[in-house]
Amino acid sequence: DQQVKQNSPSLSVQEGRISILNCDYTNSMFDYFLWYKKYPAEGPTFLISISSIKDKNEDGRFTVFLNKSAKHLSLHIVPSQPGDSAVYFCAASATDSWGKLQFGAGTQVVVTP
Amino acid sequence: DTGVSQNPRHKITKRGQNVTFRCDPISEHNRLYWYRQTLGQGPEFLTYFQNEAQLEKSRLLSDRFSAERPKGSFSTLEIQRTEQGDSAMYLCASSLVSPLTGSEQYFGPGTRLTVT
Repeated sequence: DQQVKQNSPSLSVQEGRISILNCDYTNSMFDYFLWYKKYPAEGPTFLISISSIKDKNEDGRFTVFLNKSAKHLSLHIVPSQPGDSAVYFCAASATDSWGKLQFGAGTQVVVTP
Repeated sequence: DTGVSQNPRHKITKRGQNVTFRCDPISEHNRLYWYRQTLGQGPEFLTYFQNEAQLEKSRLLSDRFSAERPKGSFSTLEIQRTEQGDSAMYLCASSLVSPLTGSEQYFGPGTRLTVT
């Protein structure tokens, strides 16, 4: 039962442009959402998170938006840089789940010059 | 502190053999998690420790899998009688949960297991 879905397996974007990654979830008990970035042969690296009491969180070039009614979140990267080329995972947890994360399948981002 | 470390980074074993992986979390972190990742998928939760207590195990964790965290520091994940379906990346993560911090988990580089 895939409770976190990333429906776009890949995304190609030009350097300097905006990258928009999308994520949908089905479990209404999720109240904390995170984005991770993963390079080959490395573990996932935490990027940014958002609590369900907010609808936006910003950290430098990264902004996460949460639409609770639609059970949808998105990650915006502006401007995109070649070093952003990686797999991005959306993850979610519920307060009563001891921080256990449920991940989407990931979106491969390629930033072209 | 250099983050979460895992050893070995790679393990090739024959079907039926036992393997053990080690995870050293960030020293002040009180929670430790094990995940498994297969090709084209996101990490899947296996088990979780709060200090030395194992508080939850996924149904993915068959009787052949066992995890320990003696003294609430490093953790080991053992797989007995390995099967080819156990081939995956095994990831360890740790977090510090307090009223002042979020619940972000910090991952190690993983152990790549190949069962032949």
